[in-house]
Amino acid sequence: DAGVTQSPTHLIKTRGQQVTLRCSPKSGHDTVSWYQQALGQGPQFIFQYYEEEERQRGNFPDRFSGHQFPNYSSELNVNALLLGDSALYLCASRLGRLAGIETQYFGPGTRLLVL
Amino acid sequence: KQEVTQIPAALSVPEGENLVLNCSFTDSAIYNLQWFRQDPGKGLTSLLLIQSSQREQTSGRLNASLDKSSGRSTLYIAASQPGDSATYLCAVVNDYKLSFGAGTTVTVRA
Repeated sequence: DAGVTQSPTHLIKTRGQQVTLRCSPKSGHDTVSWYQQALGQGPQFIFQYYEEEERQRGNFPDRFSGHQFPNYSSELNVNALLLGDSALYLCASRLGRLAGIETQYFGPGTRLLVL
Repeated sequence: KQEVTQIPAALSVPEGENLVLNCSFTDSAIYNLQWFRQDPGKGLTSLLLIQSSQREQTSGRLNASLDKSSGRSTLYIAASQPGDSATYLCAVVNDYKLSFGAGTTVTVRA
């Protein structure tokens, strides 16, 4: 079992550019969540996808958007990048029907640096 | 809005000492509480999950307690080792999302 995988591992962009981050959930998991972790802080919830729909969204602007594919993998897109978007982006997966019972499994993250 | 606080922010202990990490949260309507470990620049590794109906959970040298009514959880790590050096994050689950504290960074000195 490969666990949760994310790509790329590191990324450098300039202000105003757009970026796409990718996540493959743990085998058998159908729910994917994205988190942003700034340096020295805890992760902040961006949004969650289930059955290819955005089910919940945190306090992030519309510049942050996502998608879930039929195979449950997911993408996070960020438009018009700002310096403050520099962070570690974490993807987490779980089995939707076990929500609240089973732990979420996190990937290794994508480190985004915006210059 | 759920607020999660972890105290202390950093902790340094000699090897062999027991560790006590604290977590508090403001909204007691949680599904469960989880403790995670994060090594520098890495993702999160789940350590323990406590269901809202449980009072504690144990795994090896780790023991976590939960007092939902007072909004508190404590993670105990017995007989600390240098390999325990990491940042420990607690997170509460409500509305199916995790709300995290800022973490406690632990250094275990050999």
